[in-house]
Amino acid sequence: NAGVTQTPKFRVLKTGQSMTLLCAQDMNHEYMYWYRQDPGMGLRLIHYSVGEGTTAKGEVPDGYNVSRLKKQNFLLGLESAAPSQTSVYFCASSYSGGHPGYTFGSGTRLTVV
Amino acid sequence: DAKTTQPTSMDCAEGRAANLPCNHSTISGNEYVYWYRQIHSQGPQYIIHGLKNNETNEMASLIITEDRKSSTLILPHATLRDTAVYYCIVRVGRSNTGKLIFGQGTTLQVKP
Repeated sequence: NAGVTQTPKFRVLKTGQSMTLLCAQDMNHEYMYWYRQDPGMGLRLIHYSVGEGTTAKGEVPDGYNVSRLKKQNFLLGLESAAPSQTSVYFCASSYSGGHPGYTFGSGTRLTVV
Repeated sequence: DAKTTQPTSMDCAEGRAANLPCNHSTISGNEYVYWYRQIHSQGPQYIIHGLKNNETNEMASLIITEDRKSSTLILPHATLRDTAVYYCIVRVGRSNTGKLIFGQGTTLQVKP
């Protein structure tokens, strides 16, 4: 039982390159989320999904796209990476309604140069 | 979701109880208090939640005042591994979106 697995763990991109971050959960959770965390700041919600085939915008969605084609996977895409997207990205999942708690992945550290 | 206020930082001696306060004066009747912590760049970890009654689990205790306007997370015997940022979040139990909005949290430093 792996919980929430994020790949890759580290990545360096050049400005303008694209990439996809993968989040996989094996707990049959309905809800999945992508957050970013910048140095000295709390987590900010990028996008989320309340079920397979659904996605919605969070607080800071610009520059990102997501897809939830399978219940267990939630993909975060950067079409044209910018230095402002340098951050640590966390994926999380939860049962319906986000109660009682989320399970978070260990994060992806992305640097855009 | 109700707004929460937490101290920016706190210190605690190893082996002593760590008491982390959270104010949530605008909490609604159907909103829960959730606590998470984040240990040095790891993903946040769910600790405990409560609605009205005090709660205890293997990690911590949660004390909610009778008027529900504030709460305290208690780590009974803090260890160095409890050094982390602790987040207090207030929201409805099962929302349509399930979103959690994180604030700045309290940085707890446990000292030898």
